[in-house]
Amino acid sequence: DAGITQSPRHKVTETGTPVTLRCHQTENHRYMYWYRQDPGHGLRLIHYSYGVKDTDKGEVSDGYSVSRSKTEDFLLTLESATSSQTSVYFCAISPRQGRYEQYFGPGTRLTVT
Amino acid sequence: RKEVEQDPGPFNVPEGATVAFNCTYSNSASQSFFWYRQDCRKEPKLLMSVYSSGNEDGRFTAQLNRASQYISLLIRDSKLSDSATYLCVVGNSGYSTLTFGKGTMLLVSP
Repeated sequence: DAGITQSPRHKVTETGTPVTLRCHQTENHRYMYWYRQDPGHGLRLIHYSYGVKDTDKGEVSDGYSVSRSKTEDFLLTLESATSSQTSVYFCAISPRQGRYEQYFGPGTRLTVT
Repeated sequence: RKEVEQDPGPFNVPEGATVAFNCTYSNSASQSFFWYRQDCRKEPKLLMSVYSSGNEDGRFTAQLNRASQYISLLIRDSKLSDSATYLCVVGNSGYSTLTFGKGTMLLVSP
């Protein structure tokens, strides 16, 4: 299995609070991704990173920000959580850019009440 | 038109059956193709890449038809452990672009 961990694995938070999810990899891969998965929508890309301090928006980036200060860590922040951000969040890594296979972390289940 | 379309299922089959999943994609410039497997409440895991000539991995066979923009996955001799959701995934050029289908659920019963 790819060396990817996510923390926390489960979180319940209240509307309006900031939340930060962490993705940590031991593979030293350059490319990292954050997805959310919701029933009826499949996996949707939130943000991605192509190197330290290099990030860009994905399909559903509104309300989210990311940071990558080290190769191994990619943080996803919900600035002010809303109930529509209740979801399962997956981090993924890839050794190569773009169209190549990605390997996923175990996910974080976030509930915003 | 959705970018990657799959029959959501579920497909209910008995052990030992052969089952086929189909997937269509809308971007004719797509360059890479994969099948992922996702168990309930788990992360997606790469099952196999799909090559233009078709490829096989044990009981699993994947095929690609670029002209029809169609991908298939065949599972022979189904096992109980094959019960999962199978995601069709298409890659395009650029930084960020794997597009995931919503998945097809397979339930294998004794």
